[in-house]
Amino acid sequence: GAVVSQHPSRVICKSGTSVKIECRSLDFQATTMFWYRQFPKQSLMLMATSNEGSKATYEQGVEKDKFLINHASLTLSTLTVTSAHPEDSSFYICSARADRGRGYTFGSGTRLTVV
Amino acid sequence: QKEVEQDPGPLSVPEGAIVSLNCTYSNSAFQYFVWYRQYSRKGPELLMYTYSSGNKEDGRFTAQVDKSSKYISLFIRDSQPSDSATYLCAMSASQGGSEKLVFGKGTKLTVNP
Repeated sequence: GAVVSQHPSRVICKSGTSVKIECRSLDFQATTMFWYRQFPKQSLMLMATSNEGSKATYEQGVEKDKFLINHASLTLSTLTVTSAHPEDSSFYICSARADRGRGYTFGSGTRLTVV
Repeated sequence: QKEVEQDPGPLSVPEGAIVSLNCTYSNSAFQYFVWYRQYSRKGPELLMYTYSSGNKEDGRFTAQVDKSSKYISLFIRDSQPSDSATYLCAMSASQGGSEKLVFGKGTKLTVNP
C-alpha cells in the first residue's frame, strides 16, 4: 500500500517550453503532497507544499510563477515548469503521506533535461 | 549550523558487515524521524520511521533515536551488495502529515561482495 506514481520518469524539452509532471497517490488520498528538487550528489530540496483545493505553499527562493503547482484532487498533484531553461534541468520528486500511521512515500522521480 | 547533519561518506564495507549510519539535529521540536534508501536516479524508498526515542527493528534494519542527544542512527546487519545506495535521514516537527521533512545530505554506502 501507499504507492505514489510519478510520470514521466524522464523528459527532454526545448528551452522556452513548458513541462508538466504528474504525481498520483494510487491507493490512498493525500490532502498534502510535496515537491522536491534534487541536484546530483545532493539531498532533496523542498520546493513547495501542495494542498488539495488551495494554493501551494512555496519555499523561499522558489519562483511560484515558474513552478506552477495544481492539486485538483485528493489523488493528483501536478508540477508545471514554465518557460524552462537549461538551469531548470534537475531531478524532481514528489511525495505524499497516506495517514499519520505511515511514513511519507516518494514517487520515482522525473529527470528533466532542458536543451 | 544546519538543522540536520549527516556525513556524506562515502562508506565502503565488506558483505556481511554491520553498517552504522548516523544523523544529528539541532531542532528539539523534531518528533518524527525517518530513513530512506535511494538508488541512483530513483526516488527515495521508505525504510523505517519512528516518533519516539528508542529502537525500532525491521528485519536487518534497526532505527535508533536518542532525543536527549539529538542523534539518530540506522543499523544494517548482515549487509548485502544490494544495500549499496545512498541513505537519507529526514525528520519533521509535526505528526500531522503536513509538516515538511528536513533531510540530511545522505550517506553513500557501498557493500562489496
